[in-house]
Parts: sequence; C-alpha cells; structure tokens
Amino acid sequence: GDQVKQSPSALSLQEGTNSALRCNFSIATTTVQWFLQNPRGSLMNLFYLVPGTKENGRLKSTFNSKESYSTLHIRDAQLEDSGTYFCAAEAGGSNAKLTFGKGTKLSVKS
Amino acid sequence: DAGVTQTPRHEVAEKGQTIILKCEPVSGHNDLFWYRQTKIQGLELLSYFRSKSLMEDGGAFKDRFKAEMLNSSFSTLKIQPTEPKDSAVYLCASSFGAQDTQYFGPGTRLLVL
Repeated sequence: GDQVKQSPSALSLQEGTNSALRCNFSIATTTVQWFLQNPRGSLMNLFYLVPGTKENGRLKSTFNSKESYSTLHIRDAQLEDSGTYFCAAEAGGSNAKLTFGKGTKLSVKS
Repeated sequence: DAGVTQTPRHEVAEKGQTIILKCEPVSGHNDLFWYRQTKIQGLELLSYFRSKSLMEDGGAFKDRFKAEMLNSSFSTLKIQPTEPKDSAVYLCASSFGAQDTQYFGPGTRLLVL
C-alpha cells in the first residue's frame, strides 16, 4: 500500500470557503514537507514541518508525529490556490530522501 | 538568488535514443535529487546525491537511467536507450541537506515516441 496516503484525491471549492487536506503516514516520519504544483507544473514548497504547527497567510499546517498524520488547512480559498498539493515524508537521520503522496488536486471556482 | 534550473524544458526522442537531461542546483546546496513524475506513479525518486556522492540510485531505475554529478553545481541524468514508457516529467531538486526544505526546478517534459 501507499506509504504516504493523501486525501481527498480531488477537491472542488467555492472561492472564499475553507477546507483541509490530509496525509497519513505508514512509514517512520521525522519531518513533513508540503508542496503546491501549479497548472504549469512548477513545484513550490509551502511548509517544512517538524511535529507542531506552522501558519503562513491563509495556510496552516500541522504535523502530528505520534498519530502519523499531517493536515493542510486552506482558509478563504482563492482562485490562485488551484493546483495539486503534495505532502512528503522524510524519515530523518542523515538521509534526506522524501517519500511523496499521490497529491490532492484542488480546483477553486468563482 | 537563482533557483534550480533544468534544461531542456521539453524533449522529444525516438525509441532507442540516448537523451541527457541537465540540472543546476541552488548555489551552496549539498543535496541533489532527480525525480520522475507520471500521472499513475506520481513522484518517484530516481537518484540522490550528497556532496556529489551518490546516496541512492532508486533501485528500479538502475537499468537504463544513470545520474552523475561531476561538480557541485551541475548534474546530468542520462536515459539510454529510451523507451515510450519513459515519457514523463523529470524534476530536479536541491537542498542544504537532511531536514531541510527541498527546492524544485521547473522540470523537463520528455516524450518518447
């Protein structure tokens, strides 16, 4: 099975609404990274997380290492938030390899 | 600061050809990664270098894929010979090291006919 499972796989939001994306990990995870891939294909890093919570503008992300999951909350969704969101797990130690989820495709509509 | 750069942005190859993709990491970064992205498999790690040394070569991709890093500011990914199933987006990323943010290049979109 998938070592990093993202849900939902796709999501459609009305502009101005809120939502949450989730990642569940079945591998040992020390840190988590969230990325947004825009429709042109560029991957942009949103968050780098150790256990805990970070916030940046309308985005907030939490990593709960004890329960092996991470969430990304989007508040007041805007059209430019559309794209595919990926989470990735890093096992820790000296190995920087990331294991990616399959992504959540988000469409924000006006 | 320049981000990760990749060339070419698009490549079309005939089956059986050799193609070389190029990547320049962010200046000062020690780790460099090559990924392949397809709709079905998602993002898969092909190779991972730390300070030019190969740390991981992505098992299933050993056969026809070879990544090299001859100096700290340049890496290549050679696919030889290409097959239609290699059609994908190839992404390069770099970071300072473990437990650090990875920064991605724009990718090379490869189509093998």
